[in-house]
Amino acid sequence: GQNIDQPTEMTATEGAIVQINCTYQTSGFNGLFWYQQHAGEAPTFLSYNVLDGLEEKGRFSSFLSRSKGYSYLLLKELQMKDSASYLCAVRAGSSNTGKLIFGQGTTLQVKP
Amino acid sequence: GAVVSQHPSRVICKSGTSVKIECRSLDFQATTMFWYRQFPKQSLMLMATSNEGSKATYEQGVEKDKFLINHASLTLSTLTVTSAHPEDSSFYICSAEGDPNSPLHFGNGTRLTVT
Repeated sequence: GQNIDQPTEMTATEGAIVQINCTYQTSGFNGLFWYQQHAGEAPTFLSYNVLDGLEEKGRFSSFLSRSKGYSYLLLKELQMKDSASYLCAVRAGSSNTGKLIFGQGTTLQVKP
Repeated sequence: GAVVSQHPSRVICKSGTSVKIECRSLDFQATTMFWYRQFPKQSLMLMATSNEGSKATYEQGVEKDKFLINHASLTLSTLTVTSAHPEDSSFYICSAEGDPNSPLHFGNGTRLTVT
């Protein structure tokens, strides 16, 4: 079966750093994605990992370890507008096309 | 960047009626589109994969006769919720795949309320 786990809720302070973890067990793997979703809106793409290691993009970084079935999203210099739900998604299957399976999402609350 | 347009953004309908939701890729051709449903405080659940020119592939537990999907062109897929019931009230989101090396792009979603 397909299983993607991430914490349900996290709280952090403005200006701080927060790490959101994601573990997965899927039949096939062809990339892991992180999306941000504000309430009532569609998800917006943050990052993509297909090889092991760290991908950095501004204040956001994402890490992948395929052998461990593990990823994390790192948010630096937190801002109030970063309060949102963060979705970990795995592209299952053997090709680089195909459906994304989403985790349940982590609701991040940034406090002053 | 790639843009996916979804229409309508909100719709309220009466129980027993049907509602059609459109998903368009505006600046790229999408041979594959995906339809997701999201209930409050839950994640996105894949309903079906829409393939241009062929039948959609539905996920387990999704009724294909209730959620009709048509993907007649490379830029348009439609989802029709037939004989809607209050429990079908949800946020429906489409996504389209252009370049296989690019992430999925999502439409803005459709908030369906069935009264």
